[in-house]
Amino acid sequence: KNEVEQSPQNLTAQEGEFITINCSYSVGISALHWLQQHPGGGIVSLFMLSSGKKKHGRLIATINIQEKHSSLHITASHPRDSAVYICAVSPIQGAQKLVFGQGTRLTINP
Amino acid sequence: KAGVTQTPRYLIKTRGQQVTLSCSPISGHRSVSWYQQTPGQGLQFLFEYFSETQRNKGNFPGRFSGRQFSNSRSEMNVSTLELGDSALYLCASTSQTGNTGELFFGEGSRLTVL
Repeated sequence: KNEVEQSPQNLTAQEGEFITINCSYSVGISALHWLQQHPGGGIVSLFMLSSGKKKHGRLIATINIQEKHSSLHITASHPRDSAVYICAVSPIQGAQKLVFGQGTRLTINP
Repeated sequence: KAGVTQTPRYLIKTRGQQVTLSCSPISGHRSVSWYQQTPGQGLQFLFEYFSETQRNKGNFPGRFSGRQFSNSRSEMNVSTLELGDSALYLCASTSQTGNTGELFFGEGSRLTVL
């Protein structure tokens, strides 16, 4: 079993829909990262969380440390949100030694 | 402020050769970490350097090595290339001196081994 599991692996939705991507992990962490990767490879850090909730524009990320679970929400989704979203955790021992989920491929149709 | 710069962006090598990839972090960032991304294994941590010292290392064979210079620029080297080394190699920098901080990624170096 992977230490970081994401669901769903693929998600297709219509423009304007509310999107939720989930991440569960099994190790003790010092932080959790949500990353976005567009075709071509470049990765952008969306959020770094160690507790609670963060919001940036239409994106919201939450984390429940006790349940070892995080969610990424996108409100009023748009075709430009189409990308792969990756959850990664920083283990307590060696926090830069990120452990990655397998990614969620999101496609938003106009 | 310039972002993280990786060179070269694309390269093709043959089995048995070696390759050196470069990563220039954001000015002022002292931590540089390297990752390998393949279709089969996804993203995997290679190693992390802080102030010219390797702080963490992933589960990769000794053919994979790296170093960091006094200006925080980092290089990684892969010797005796194998077909399975074909991948996108990404580096990231962070300004935090501790163990957590927002990561800023480069565009990656796409290596093809023939």
